[in-house]
Parts: sequence; structure tokens; C-alpha cells
Amino acid sequence: DAKTTQPTSMDCAEGRAANLPCNHSTISGNEYVYWYRQIHSQGPQYIIHGLKNNETNEMASLIITEDRKSSTLILPHATLRDTAVYYCIVRVGFPNAGGTSYGKLTFGQGTILTVHP
Amino acid sequence: EAEVAQSPRYKITEKSQAVAFWCDPISGHATLYWYRQILGQGPELLVQFQDESVVDDSQLPKDRFSAERLKGVDSTLKIQPAELGDSAMYLCASSWGPGRQETQYFGPGTRLLVL
Repeated sequence: DAKTTQPTSMDCAEGRAANLPCNHSTISGNEYVYWYRQIHSQGPQYIIHGLKNNETNEMASLIITEDRKSSTLILPHATLRDTAVYYCIVRVGFPNAGGTSYGKLTFGQGTILTVHP
Repeated sequence: EAEVAQSPRYKITEKSQAVAFWCDPISGHATLYWYRQILGQGPELLVQFQDESVVDDSQLPKDRFSAERLKGVDSTLKIQPAELGDSAMYLCASSWGPGRQETQYFGPGTRLLVL
């Protein structure tokens, strides 16, 4: 399985952009990069995902390097409510009777992002 | 906005007792997942359903854990007997299907404390 490496923790000032890096040097060509976050005592929240092109939605932007070995999640204007654990996940497939399914998300330790006033 | 529902939100039990958790996925979602999250760690998959069938239960401790999704809609996860090490957050997630672009949406979780 492709594994990810993230910094344990990061700080960001409110109103500034938060750039969260992730290394996934063993990613395969058909594996997607997903980002989730988990605010204290809540379930994980989906943020964004991508394959090779950069992606943007109302929450964040995802920048994937051309070789796909790393990516960066960008929160353009961080607020105090963005304080959470951010997980970078490479979604892998597993074999089943019908072929290959891409089911589970394999979470690592994530990055604790703290947004300061 | 549709959400995954879970109950109870909190459960305290004594070891050797039986506990059960319930999950109602987003309407129309065929794939349902149960994850366990130990404090300080990321969630880990216990079991995955496609409709009413189990497609992955490789990490489910089958001597004490069981899961069912009889009509392919809501699901129940049971632990019998509970052990101290089962104290954790139990998360349910659902998606339209198991495909790699199918986003999983998580419920609020059930926090279990075994005394």
C-alpha cells in the first residue's frame, strides 16, 4: 500500500493561507490522493481529492506535483474553526471476487493544524 | 444536507457486557463502513458492506465483534463481551459505491468507554 508522510504539527495565523504538505513517494498511477480533517471529537470530514491535476473546491485547493510523489493542501484563508487534524490518504485498491475494489481509507497519524488568532 | 446518523453518541459499559452501535447511512448509499479510532490514532477499518454483503472484514476481531446490514440500509455493530481495550470511537461512513472516486461521508461516531 502506498503510505503517506505528514508533519506531526503545524501552526498558522488566522486569515493567512495554511499549506499542509504530504509525501506519497510510492503512489501508483491509478491511486487517488484524499484529504480529510477531523475536528476534536467529531467524525472525519471530507475536504478534497485528486489524481494528477490540481483541484479546487469551496473548502480548499489540492496541488499535486507532476511526479505525483507529493501534494499540498491549501486552506486559502485559515480561520480558528480550521483547527483540526488533517489526514492525507492514498486510496488503494484491494482484490475481491469481482476484481479490484477501492474501498477503505487507510488513515495515518495526520497533521495537527493549530490556527492562532 | 444528508448526514450519516449514529447512536448512541456515548456509551459506558463494564467489561464482559454486550454493547451495540447503530448506523443509518445517507439515503441511497450502497457502501457502508465501520471504523474504529483509538485515542491519538487515525481511524482503522473494521468492516465494509456492499448492500447487505460483507466485502472486507479482515480487521474485524470475529471472536467478539459482529456486524450486520440485513436489508442493505442501516447497520449494527456488536461487541460481546466487551474488553477494556475496546474503549475507542466507533465511526460509521457511507458512500454511493466502493469506487476510488466515491467519497466516504462519516457520522459523528459513538464513543465507547469500557470499565
